[in-house]
Amino acid sequence: EPEVTQTPSHQVTQMGQEVILRCVPISNHLYFYWYRQILGQKVEFLVSFYNNEISEKSEIFDDQFSVERPDGSNFTLKIRSTKLEDSAMYFCASTEGESSYNEQFFGPGTRLTVL
Amino acid sequence: GQNIDQPTEMTATEGAIVQINCTYQTSGFNGLFWYQQHAGEAPTFLSYNVLDGLEEKGRFSSFLSRSKGYSYLLLKELQMKDSASYLCAAPRGSARQLTFGSGTQLTVLP
Repeated sequence: EPEVTQTPSHQVTQMGQEVILRCVPISNHLYFYWYRQILGQKVEFLVSFYNNEISEKSEIFDDQFSVERPDGSNFTLKIRSTKLEDSAMYFCASTEGESSYNEQFFGPGTRLTVL
Repeated sequence: GQNIDQPTEMTATEGAIVQINCTYQTSGFNGLFWYQQHAGEAPTFLSYNVLDGLEEKGRFSSFLSRSKGYSYLLLKELQMKDSASYLCAAPRGSARQLTFGSGTQLTVLP
Protein backbone atom coordinates (compact mmCIF):
# COMPACT_ATOMS: atom_id res chain seq x y z
CA GLU A 1 0.00 0.00 0.00
CA PRO A 2 1.44 3.43 -0.89
CA GLU A 3 2.50 5.56 2.02
CA VAL A 4 3.95 8.95 2.88
CA THR A 5 7.54 8.74 4.05
CA GLN A 6 9.54 11.26 6.06
CA THR A 7 13.22 11.68 6.89
CA PRO A 8 14.86 11.92 9.30
CA SER A 9 12.77 10.27 11.99
CA HIS A 10 14.53 12.35 14.64
CA GLN A 11 16.53 15.55 14.26
CA VAL A 12 18.43 17.25 17.06
CA THR A 13 19.72 20.76 16.41
CA GLN A 14 21.08 23.78 18.21
CA MET A 15 18.97 26.90 18.56
CA GLY A 16 19.58 29.24 15.63
CA GLN A 17 20.51 26.48 13.21
CA GLU A 18 18.65 25.72 10.00
CA VAL A 19 16.92 22.39 9.53
CA ILE A 20 15.29 20.77 6.52
CA LEU A 21 12.65 18.13 7.03
CA ARG A 22 11.95 15.90 4.07
CA CYS A 23 8.83 14.15 2.89
CA VAL A 24 7.92 11.96 -0.05
CA PRO A 25 4.15 12.17 -0.58
CA ILE A 26 2.15 9.41 -2.26
CA SER A 27 2.98 9.58 -5.95
CA ASN A 28 -0.40 10.43 -7.49
CA HIS A 29 -1.37 12.91 -4.80
CA LEU A 30 -1.73 16.58 -5.62
CA TYR A 31 -2.11 18.35 -2.27
CA PHE A 32 0.60 18.36 0.37
CA TYR A 33 0.58 19.58 3.94
CA TRP A 34 2.80 20.12 6.94
CA TYR A 35 1.38 19.86 10.45
CA ARG A 36 3.15 20.00 13.77
CA GLN A 37 2.36 18.58 17.19
CA ILE A 38 4.08 19.92 20.27
CA LEU A 39 4.35 17.22 22.91
CA GLY A 40 1.03 16.78 24.69
CA GLN A 41 -0.78 19.25 22.47
CA LYS A 42 -3.05 19.10 19.45
CA VAL A 43 -2.02 18.59 15.84
CA GLU A 44 -1.74 22.04 14.23
CA PHE A 45 -1.84 22.97 10.55
CA LEU A 46 1.19 24.82 9.21
CA VAL A 47 0.90 25.01 5.42
CA SER A 48 -0.76 23.49 2.38
CA PHE A 49 0.83 23.23 -1.05
CA TYR A 50 -0.70 22.69 -4.45
CA ASN A 51 0.46 23.13 -8.02
CA ASN A 52 3.94 24.16 -6.87
CA GLU A 53 2.84 26.96 -4.63
CA ILE A 54 1.56 27.57 -1.13
CA SER A 55 -2.21 27.28 -1.00
CA GLU A 56 -2.75 28.41 2.56
CA LYS A 57 -0.66 28.92 5.67
CA SER A 58 -1.41 29.36 9.34
CA GLU A 59 -0.20 32.13 11.62
CA ILE A 60 2.43 29.71 12.91
CA PHE A 61 4.04 29.59 9.44
CA ASP A 62 6.01 32.82 9.69
CA ASP A 63 9.06 34.02 7.77
CA GLN A 64 11.36 31.46 9.35
CA PHE A 65 9.47 28.67 7.59
CA SER A 66 9.51 27.79 3.92
CA VAL A 67 8.41 24.85 1.80
CA GLU A 68 9.66 23.55 -1.49
CA ARG A 69 9.03 20.77 -3.95
CA PRO A 70 12.51 20.58 -5.47
CA ASP A 71 11.73 17.65 -7.75
CA GLY A 72 8.83 15.41 -8.67
CA SER A 73 8.85 13.46 -5.45
CA ASN A 74 10.22 15.38 -2.47
CA PHE A 75 8.40 17.99 -0.39
CA THR A 76 10.52 19.82 2.17
CA LEU A 77 9.97 22.07 5.15
CA LYS A 78 12.83 24.41 6.05
CA ILE A 79 13.09 26.18 9.37
CA ARG A 80 15.70 28.92 8.93
CA SER A 81 16.70 29.76 12.48
CA THR A 82 15.29 27.27 14.93
CA LYS A 83 13.94 28.31 18.32
CA LEU A 84 13.38 26.21 21.41
CA GLU A 85 9.64 26.39 20.86
CA ASP A 86 10.02 24.74 17.43
CA SER A 87 10.63 21.44 19.21
CA ALA A 88 7.75 19.26 18.07
CA MET A 89 6.73 16.35 15.90
CA TYR A 90 6.33 17.47 12.30
CA PHE A 91 3.97 15.49 10.12
CA CYS A 92 3.74 15.64 6.36
CA ALA A 93 0.45 14.63 4.74
CA SER A 94 -0.88 14.30 1.23
CA THR A 95 -4.20 13.78 -0.49
CA GLU A 96 -5.21 13.13 -4.04
CA GLY A 97 -7.78 15.87 -4.48
CA GLU A 98 -9.43 18.95 -3.08
CA SER A 99 -12.71 17.32 -2.16
CA SER A 100 -13.44 17.31 1.53
CA TYR A 101 -13.92 13.56 1.55
CA ASN A 102 -10.40 12.95 0.30
CA GLU A 103 -8.56 11.31 3.15
CA GLN A 104 -5.28 12.87 4.15
CA PHE A 105 -2.52 10.32 4.56
CA PHE A 106 0.05 11.19 7.19
CA GLY A 107 3.71 10.30 7.25
CA PRO A 108 5.32 8.84 10.38
CA GLY A 109 6.67 12.25 11.42
CA THR A 110 10.01 13.83 12.22
CA ARG A 111 10.68 14.55 15.88
CA LEU A 112 12.59 17.84 16.02
CA THR A 113 14.44 18.67 19.21
CA VAL A 114 15.97 22.14 19.49
CA LEU A 115 18.57 22.54 22.23
CA GLY B 1 -13.10 30.28 12.73
CA GLN B 2 -13.11 26.68 13.80
CA ASN B 3 -13.53 25.29 17.28
CA ILE B 4 -13.58 21.59 18.08
CA ASP B 5 -14.17 20.19 21.55
CA GLN B 6 -13.74 16.65 22.82
CA PRO B 7 -13.22 15.11 26.26
CA THR B 8 -9.61 14.85 27.28
CA GLU B 9 -9.62 11.29 28.60
CA MET B 10 -11.82 8.23 28.75
CA THR B 11 -11.36 4.78 30.24
CA ALA B 12 -13.17 1.60 29.25
CA THR B 13 -12.86 -2.14 29.71
CA GLU B 14 -11.79 -4.68 27.13
CA GLY B 15 -14.80 -6.04 25.27
CA ALA B 16 -16.99 -3.06 26.13
CA ILE B 17 -18.43 -0.27 23.98
CA VAL B 18 -17.28 3.33 24.25
CA GLN B 19 -18.63 6.52 22.69
CA ILE B 20 -16.32 9.50 22.17
CA ASN B 21 -18.12 12.78 21.58
CA CYS B 22 -17.07 15.80 19.57
CA THR B 23 -18.76 19.17 19.22
CA TYR B 24 -17.70 21.67 16.61
CA GLN B 25 -18.30 25.19 15.43
CA THR B 26 -17.07 25.88 11.91
CA SER B 27 -17.39 28.69 9.40
CA GLY B 28 -18.71 26.58 6.57
CA PHE B 29 -19.08 22.83 6.90
CA ASN B 30 -17.08 20.36 4.86
CA GLY B 31 -17.63 17.21 6.83
CA LEU B 32 -15.91 15.75 9.86
CA PHE B 33 -13.08 13.25 10.19
CA TRP B 34 -12.05 10.90 12.95
CA TYR B 35 -8.41 9.85 13.21
CA GLN B 36 -6.65 7.46 15.59
CA GLN B 37 -3.21 8.34 16.93
CA HIS B 38 -1.06 6.00 18.96
CA ALA B 39 1.60 7.65 21.11
CA GLY B 40 4.52 8.85 19.04
CA GLU B 41 2.90 7.87 15.77
CA ALA B 42 1.05 9.58 12.94
CA PRO B 43 -2.71 10.02 12.85
CA THR B 44 -4.45 7.33 10.83
CA PHE B 45 -7.84 7.75 9.18
CA LEU B 46 -10.87 6.10 10.75
CA SER B 47 -13.95 7.73 9.25
CA TYR B 48 -15.50 10.68 7.44
CA ASN B 49 -19.05 11.99 7.77
CA VAL B 50 -20.64 14.73 5.73
CA LEU B 51 -24.32 13.73 5.93
CA ASP B 52 -26.36 13.23 9.08
CA GLY B 53 -26.48 9.73 10.41
CA LEU B 54 -24.35 6.77 11.25
CA GLU B 55 -21.47 5.39 9.17
CA GLU B 56 -20.46 1.88 10.20
CA LYS B 57 -17.09 0.34 9.51
CA GLY B 58 -16.48 -2.90 11.33
CA ARG B 59 -16.01 -2.30 15.05
CA PHE B 60 -15.95 1.47 14.54
CA SER B 61 -18.92 3.69 13.70
CA SER B 62 -19.22 7.45 13.45
CA PHE B 63 -22.31 9.60 13.78
CA LEU B 64 -22.98 13.15 12.67
CA SER B 65 -25.71 15.69 13.44
CA ARG B 66 -25.08 18.86 11.47
CA SER B 67 -27.91 20.79 13.12
CA LYS B 68 -26.41 20.14 16.55
CA GLY B 69 -22.77 20.52 15.53
CA TYR B 70 -22.13 17.13 17.07
CA SER B 71 -20.41 13.90 16.18
CA TYR B 72 -19.43 10.76 18.01
CA LEU B 73 -17.16 7.81 17.41
CA LEU B 74 -18.43 4.47 18.67
CA LEU B 75 -15.97 1.69 19.33
CA LYS B 76 -17.36 -1.79 19.94
CA GLU B 77 -15.73 -4.94 21.33
CA LEU B 78 -12.84 -2.93 22.66
CA GLN B 79 -9.38 -4.41 22.43
CA MET B 80 -6.22 -3.41 24.28
CA LYS B 81 -4.76 -2.13 21.02
CA ASP B 82 -7.57 0.45 20.84
CA SER B 83 -5.81 2.40 23.59
CA ALA B 84 -4.88 5.56 21.70
CA SER B 85 -5.84 9.19 21.18
CA TYR B 86 -8.90 9.75 18.99
CA LEU B 87 -8.90 13.00 17.06
CA CYS B 88 -11.93 14.79 15.68
CA ALA B 89 -10.98 17.02 12.71
CA ALA B 90 -12.75 19.39 10.33
CA PRO B 91 -11.47 20.31 6.86
CA ARG B 92 -11.48 23.95 5.84
CA GLY B 93 -9.99 26.27 3.27
CA SER B 94 -9.37 25.77 -0.42
CA ALA B 95 -6.93 22.93 0.25
CA ARG B 96 -9.14 21.39 2.93
CA GLN B 97 -6.46 21.49 5.60
CA LEU B 98 -7.55 19.88 8.83
CA THR B 99 -8.34 21.62 12.10
CA PHE B 100 -7.96 19.06 14.87
CA GLY B 101 -9.50 18.83 18.28
CA SER B 102 -7.21 18.19 21.22
CA GLY B 103 -7.93 14.49 21.06
CA THR B 104 -9.50 12.06 23.52
CA GLN B 105 -7.02 9.71 25.15
CA LEU B 106 -8.75 6.35 25.48
CA THR B 107 -7.33 3.78 27.88
CA VAL B 108 -8.65 0.22 27.55
CA LEU B 109 -8.24 -1.81 30.73
CA PRO B 110 -8.16 -5.61 30.92
